[in-house]
Order: sequence, then structure tokens, then C-alpha cells
Amino acid sequence: GNSVTQMEGPVTLSEEAFLTINCTYTATGYPSLFWYVQYPGEGLQLLLKATKADDKGSNKGFEATYRKETTSFHLEKGSVQVSDSAVYFCALALVFNKFYFGSGTKLNVKP
Amino acid sequence: NAGVTQTPKFQVLKTGQSMTLQCAQDMNHEYMSWYRQDPGMGLRLIHYSVGAGITDQGEVPNGYNVSRSTTEDFPLRLLSAAPSQTSVYFCASSRLREGTEAFFGQGTRLTVV
Repeated sequence: GNSVTQMEGPVTLSEEAFLTINCTYTATGYPSLFWYVQYPGEGLQLLLKATKADDKGSNKGFEATYRKETTSFHLEKGSVQVSDSAVYFCALALVFNKFYFGSGTKLNVKP
Repeated sequence: NAGVTQTPKFQVLKTGQSMTLQCAQDMNHEYMSWYRQDPGMGLRLIHYSVGAGITDQGEVPNGYNVSRSTTEDFPLRLLSAAPSQTSVYFCASSRLREGTEAFFGQGTRLTVV
């Protein structure tokens, strides 16, 4: 089947620390991969995406590389800010753009 | 600049009551979907539609009905509310083409007592 597994949270970091949130997937086809972010009380917003192997998505200092050989799409940021505190969801999309989401990882950044 | 609009934002129901969660999008997207978000479980797909008149079940469809009479609207109906349906519900829309962004509404927080 199709599924996404991401590291459990919460992840607590100090401001300016390095962030990695792991994400691996299983898929019956050749998916597109996404990271979405959810701020408190809001819906999900697209953070970045990659549609083929070795593509790197990037936005607002966040990066993730589509690794087909390890079926992974890990999210990284070199220096987190308090404003990055949110819940991060890894997702894949297949035929008809049907999405499958991971369970989400809550990030807390302390000043 | 509305995007995906969900109503209501909050709702409290008694067990056995029925209600409809509304979802509308103004981007002419073919694909629309409903998810529920529960702690530790991410977003689970309830129902989806690839166009007007076409709907299908997702991962957790029991207790919910949908219809798609227009491209813009995709209401979710709870037939007889149960406490297990207490959750946050999100509607999303996108193009059918794989790899395009899904846009989400602000969510409906539903409590069934």
C-alpha cells in the first residue's frame, strides 16, 4: 500500500539550531513528495515539494531532497527560528493527485 | 482570493444528530477531498471527488456521505453523529495533475457529546 512515516515529536530545539525531520514512504507508483506546515488554529500550507528523484525542494530556508533509493524525503533547516514552531506533515501524492499524509511532527523552538 | 472556504469553524452536536459541513473552492479545481485530523494520526482521507458527479471513498468513510453536484462545492454529511466523530475536519482541493499543490481550508472543529 501507500503510506508515509515520519519521526514522532515533539521536537524541541533552541533558536538557531539545526533541524532534521525524517520522512520515509512506501508507494505503489512513482509519487510526488511534499512537506506541509500547520500553524496553530490554521489549515495546512505547502512548504515545499519535489516531483522526481533527486529533485530538491526549498522554501523559507527549509530543504528536502527526493531520494528514491532510500524512499526518503527528510526536511532540514540550518537555523530555526521561534516563528518556525508548528506541526510539519510529510505527504506523497499519486494518481489523480490523491494525497497520503504522515502523522505530523510538532516542532517547538525556544528563544 | 478566497481559495478553499469551510463552514462552520466550530460545531457541537449531540449524539444522533445530523449535520453538513460545507466546503467551497473558487479555483476551478477538479479534485476535492475531506480529511479528519486526530491527535497522533495525521490526516486521514474520508471521501474524495475527481469532478462533478464523481465521488469515492477514502480510508475512513463510515458514517459520512458526500456529493458533488458542482465543481465548486463538496459538502460532507454526518448522518448520525457519534462521539468517535469528534475531530477537526479539513477540506482540500487541487488540480488532478499529480504533483500540483493541494489547498486546504481553515478546518472545522467538531465535538460530538
